[in-house]
Amino acid sequence: SQKIEQNSEALNIQEGKTATLTCNYTNYSPAYLQWYRQDPGRGPVFLLLIRENEKEKRKERLKVTFDTTLKQSLFHITASQPADSATYLCASSNTGKLIFGQGTTLQVKP
Amino acid sequence: DTGVSQDPRHKITKRGQNVTFRCDPISEHNRLYWYRQTLGQGPEFLTYFQNEAQLEKSRLLSDRFSAERPKGSFSTLEIQRTEQGDSAMYLCASSTLGQVIYEQFFGPGTRLTVL
Repeated sequence: SQKIEQNSEALNIQEGKTATLTCNYTNYSPAYLQWYRQDPGRGPVFLLLIRENEKEKRKERLKVTFDTTLKQSLFHITASQPADSATYLCASSNTGKLIFGQGTTLQVKP
Repeated sequence: DTGVSQDPRHKITKRGQNVTFRCDPISEHNRLYWYRQTLGQGPEFLTYFQNEAQLEKSRLLSDRFSAERPKGSFSTLEIQRTEQGDSAMYLCASSTLGQVIYEQFFGPGTRLTVL
């Protein structure tokens, strides 16, 4: 079955460093990958979308890559800030519905 | 506020009772989705509508669950004969339909606790 996997271990980094989160997919080829941010007790908030024919997408301090050979997407936050602390969800879509990974919690320490 | 709204925000019920949740999407969005999320997991797809038509329903969704979107605007999700395993956050999202996939806008969720 279609599966999206993220590192379930929390990622702890120091303020100012670059955070890199990994998303791997198996058993299918998504046309799109999306990244969302979720704060405790709230719904996910969209951050970035990348298509399978795009290698990289940027938005302010965020960058996402899509490697169809490795079946992997990397999500980078540069110059991280304590306010970036949250759970980040990777999701794939082909027809509209999203298939989510379990999320990776990022903690940025001042 | 023009975001996705959900009601109620919290619901506590006893096992065996029926519950109904409501979702109001962003007004110009014709797609509406329901997801369920348990602690430490990502949201899990339940079903989605395009206007009033229910286009897909997860195989994981038992027949105790039913969803409607009668006029292509708001949607309701009903769970009959609730079980403790139904305890979760129920999330609603909406999006625009186009030739490409668009991002989904999520509501704040309804947290269900089944005692």
